Amino acid sequence: DGGITQSPKYLFRKEGQNVTLSCEQNLNHDAMYWYRQDPGQGLRLIYYSQIVNDFQKGDIAEGYSVSREKKESFPLTVTSAQKNPTAFYLCASSGRQGALGEQYFGPGTRLTVT
Amino acid sequence: GIQVEQSPPDLILQEGANSTLRCNFSDSVNNLQWFHQNPWGQLINLFYIPSGTKQNGRLSATTVATERYSLLYISSSQTTDSGVYFCAVVAWETSGSRLTFGEGTQLTVNP
Repeated sequence: DGGITQSPKYLFRKEGQNVTLSCEQNLNHDAMYWYRQDPGQGLRLIYYSQIVNDFQKGDIAEGYSVSREKKESFPLTVTSAQKNPTAFYLCASSGRQGALGEQYFGPGTRLTVT
Repeated sequence: GIQVEQSPPDLILQEGANSTLRCNFSDSVNNLQWFHQNPWGQLINLFYIPSGTKQNGRLSATTVATERYSLLYISSSQTTDSGVYFCAVVAWETSGSRLTFGEGTQLTVNP
């Protein structure tokens, strides 16, 4: 089955710890994205990558880091510098680079930091 | 940056009713998508519709790009239609594929 997988579904961490969220896709898509969703709100873009070994900051990149060493994988690290990391994190991918690609989403990871 | 406004913010229907959800955007767009977020948080693609009209079963969507709005129609609503509906756009001037989301419409369909 082709799709986007995110793991784990729920993640709990103590304040001050870095945590890495996994995103894998087997759709052979070039572009991948990370979004954050807070309760009752829409999604906001954290980082995106249109090709392997290249990525750009989105609207809320502070306190996050990413890597894109393989086409199918785009892990997101939430660092201790992120002031309010508790949120729902969604990964997406698109088969076309640039503005014309339809984006498809994974099931998300709910991160709770206490 | 581009602004996306969705209305109404909340909508409560009886099963079988029809509804129209609206998405207004403040600038020209390359890409517009409608999503349904189910109670488990999964975003389900409904339409990729930067312009024109599309239909998929009981759902249809129309985007009038020149007037900067899109409409999502739900006919004969069912309880499984409940959830949050999001409109998201990529602004014309954007070099990448950055989707900007509206705040969503929370739809509740009662039996």
